Amino acid sequence: GDSVTQMEGPVTLSEEAFLTINCTYTATGYPSLFWYVQYPGEGLQLLLKATKADDKGSNKGFEATYRKETTSFHLEKGSVQVSDSAVYFCALSDYSGTYKYIFGTGTRLKVLA
Amino acid sequence: NAGVTQTPKFQVLKTGQSMTLQCAQDMNHEYMSWYRQDPGMGLRLIHYSVGAGITDQGEVPNGYNVSRSTTEDFPLRLLSAAPSQTSVYFCASSLPSGEQYFGPGTRLTVT
Repeated sequence: GDSVTQMEGPVTLSEEAFLTINCTYTATGYPSLFWYVQYPGEGLQLLLKATKADDKGSNKGFEATYRKETTSFHLEKGSVQVSDSAVYFCALSDYSGTYKYIFGTGTRLKVLA
Repeated sequence: NAGVTQTPKFQVLKTGQSMTLQCAQDMNHEYMSWYRQDPGMGLRLIHYSVGAGITDQGEVPNGYNVSRSTTEDFPLRLLSAAPSQTSVYFCASSLPSGEQYFGPGTRLTVT
C-alpha cells in the first residue's frame, strides 16, 4: 500500500546552517505531495506542496522537488533560523477509488542560536 | 474567518464513557477529516467526508463514529472510551487539490 518514510529526528542545527529533511514515498497512483509544519501545541500548517513530477514547491525559504524517478520529496532550506524549530511532516494524497492521505512520522528540528 | 475550530481543547474520560468531539469550519470546504496523533506514529486517518451526508472510514476507524449533516460540521463520537484512545485528535478541512487546514486539536486522556 501507499506509505511515506521520513528521516528520523531530532535534527539539531546551528542558526544559518543548511537543512535537508529526507522524505520518500511509495504510491500506486499519482499522488500529490506536501510538507506540513507543526509548532508546539498547535495543529499542522501547510508549508508547501507539489502535484506532479518535477514540480518544485516553495514557501518561506523552504523548497522541495517532486522526484518521481527516486520517489522522493526532500525538504531543504538554505539558512535556518531559531524560529524554524518545529516538527515537519511529509504527506501524500491520492484518490484511486478511495481517498488516501498518509503522513510520515514527523521530524523534529531544533535550531540553536 | 475562524478557519477550523475544535472543542474541547482538553478532555479526561473514564473507560466506557462516551463523548463527542466537535469540529466546525467556515471555509465551505467539501472535504473534512479526523486524525489522531500518537508519539512516533505521525497522524493516522480515522474517518473522512467528501460532502454533507457522505462519510467513509480511514485507517483506524474502530471505536469511532462520524456524521456530516452540514458542510460546516463534522463531529467525532467515541462510543465507549478505552485507554488506547488516549491521543491528540485533529480535525481538518481541505480543498479538492489536497491542501488541508487543521484545527488546534483536542487532547484526550482515557483513564
